[in-house]
Order: sequence, then structure tokens, then C-alpha cells
Amino acid sequence: DPKIIQKPKYLVAVTGSEKILICEQYLGHNAMYWYRQSAKKPLEFMFSYSYQKLMDNQTASSRFQPQSSKKNHLDLQITALKPDDSATYFCASSQEGRGANTEVFFGKGTRLTVV
Amino acid sequence: GQGVEQPDNLMSVEGTFARVNCTYSTSGFNGLSWYQQREGHAPVFLSYVVLDGLKDSGHFSTFLSRSNGYSYLLLTELQIKDSASYLCAVRDRGTGGYKVVFGSGTRLLVSP
Repeated sequence: DPKIIQKPKYLVAVTGSEKILICEQYLGHNAMYWYRQSAKKPLEFMFSYSYQKLMDNQTASSRFQPQSSKKNHLDLQITALKPDDSATYFCASSQEGRGANTEVFFGKGTRLTVV
Repeated sequence: GQGVEQPDNLMSVEGTFARVNCTYSTSGFNGLSWYQQREGHAPVFLSYVVLDGLKDSGHFSTFLSRSNGYSYLLLTELQIKDSASYLCAVRDRGTGGYKVVFGSGTRLLVSP
């Protein structure tokens, strides 16, 4: 029973189009993240949110915009898609604060292919 | 600057052990975690350490030296199925809040 749901699992998009990657977590965590992993490459931190506020942004391009409509949602909007955006995008969450268990839980990822 | 460094590859033999090293540099260290990641799957949490010393968790043990910016993950009694990538992740408290930064991962290959 997955606690972090990412939709869709696979996504094929045309260059120049716009897509939204969905993420919902049911762990009651107060912090959510997006990571990107290209084929055979390391996990790359993109964003962190805490209590629906952007805490850290390591993505240079404004084409990537996180959206948090509810505290357990953190979607990722990507505009003007490029082939280099092809990767698996992982949503993750954790409970932050004093004494909290800091394990980061990951969703199963959305594999995006831009053609 | 800030970063997490790991060797790319490591090979070992079934029944023996493997030590995966990690060095890090961060301004607001707030703990270090180890994750296992199999090809095409999400990382899975293994261990978290924040104090110096060795933490024995059976098949996996972790060591931390904060003054040296160094940690290792020790896998004992290796099995073929331990072949995977092992990621070191440092929790950094910056001005913008907490951020977990992952190393590039060490691909462990366990041979018969």
C-alpha cells in the first residue's frame, strides 16, 4: 500500500509541451521534496517544501515550478519541455523538527521521456 | 563548497564483507543516512547516524566521524542480492531549512 503516490508512472511528452507530475503523501509528513535522476546518473536534489512553503530551490531553470495546493501535495509543473529533461522524477517526504525521525521516504517515481 | 563524495564502484565476494565509503562537506551537518537503490527503483532507507562512532544494525553497520566528514556503510556476510547502489545522504540545515543531499552512489557488485 504505497504511502507516497506519484502519477503518472510513465509519461511521454513532445518537445516544447507542458506537463504536470503529481505527488501525494499519506505519511503525515511536514516536508516534501522533488529529486531527479537521469539514466545511470546520481540522484539530484531539486526542491524542498516545508508546511507548503518553498525552503530550497536547486533548479536553475524557471521551467520547473512546484505547486502545493494542500499540505500533503507537491506537484511539479514543467514547461517548454526539452529532451534533456528526460529522467525519472522522484517525490519524497520526511518529518522535520526536533527529535523527528529524519528518514526520507520516496515515491516510485515518474519516468518522463521527452521526444 | 558543499558536497557528498562516494567511489563509483566496489566489488566483493559472497560471504565476505564490503565497506562503502562516504566523505562530505557541509556547513550545517544534521545527520547522515544510507540508502540502497536498485536499478529502476526508488532509494530505500537503511540507516541514519548523527553521533560519532559505529552503529551496528546486524547485516548493515554504519560509522560516522563528524570531525573528518567521513562515514562508511559496512555490509557483512554478503549475499548476491546485496548487489545494488548504496547512496550516502547528508542532511544539511541551511538558511532555507533542511535539505538532504545525496552522493552519486557506489555500485556494489557481489560475485559468487
